[in-house]
Amino acid sequence: GNSVTQMEGPVTLSEEAFLTINCTYTATGYPSLFWYVQYPGEGLQLLLKATKADDKGSNKGFEATYRKETTSFHLEKGSVQVSDSAVYFCALKDAGKSTFGDGTTLTVKP
Amino acid sequence: DTGVSQNPRHKITKRGQNVTFRCDPISEHNRLYWYRQTLGQGPEFLTYFQNEAQLEKSRLLSDRFSAERPKGSFSTLEIQRTEQGDSAMYLCASSLALSGTDENPQYFGPGTRLTVL
Repeated sequence: GNSVTQMEGPVTLSEEAFLTINCTYTATGYPSLFWYVQYPGEGLQLLLKATKADDKGSNKGFEATYRKETTSFHLEKGSVQVSDSAVYFCALKDAGKSTFGDGTTLTVKP
Repeated sequence: DTGVSQNPRHKITKRGQNVTFRCDPISEHNRLYWYRQTLGQGPEFLTYFQNEAQLEKSRLLSDRFSAERPKGSFSTLEIQRTEQGDSAMYLCASSLALSGTDENPQYFGPGTRLTVL
């Protein structure tokens, strides 16, 4: 079956630091890949997506590239802000349904 | 577009009682999904509909769980004879599915938090 593995958290960074959250996946088909973010007290929101190999998704300074050869979709941001503090979920969508990782909690300190 | 809405937002019940949750998707979306999320984990797929047809149910979904989407718009999720292990956040999501692709993301509601005492 399909699965998503995210780097374990929590991750604590200082403002303006570089962020990487690793995500690898296993899928039987050709999935689309997504990053969702959940801010404190809020629901899941789409952050970015990539639908085929070598696609790069980007939004709000975050980027992730669909790497089929390494089955990875790592999330990066060059300079994090306090407002980026949230839980980040990597997900794949295949045959209609989504499979999520367990989330990585990011805390950014001023 | 008001997004996906769910009611109630919180539900506290006693073990053995039945509960029903409602989800109203984004109006033009033809797919509707139910997930369950427990603390420290990602959403876990339960079931999904395309229009009024239930296309898939998770093997994790026991017979006590049933979902409907009678007119292809809103959906209900019912849990019969609740157990303490059913305590979780129940999430609804919707998407616009185009033929032959899985590109479109899901948009999530705020969830219904169920506590079974």
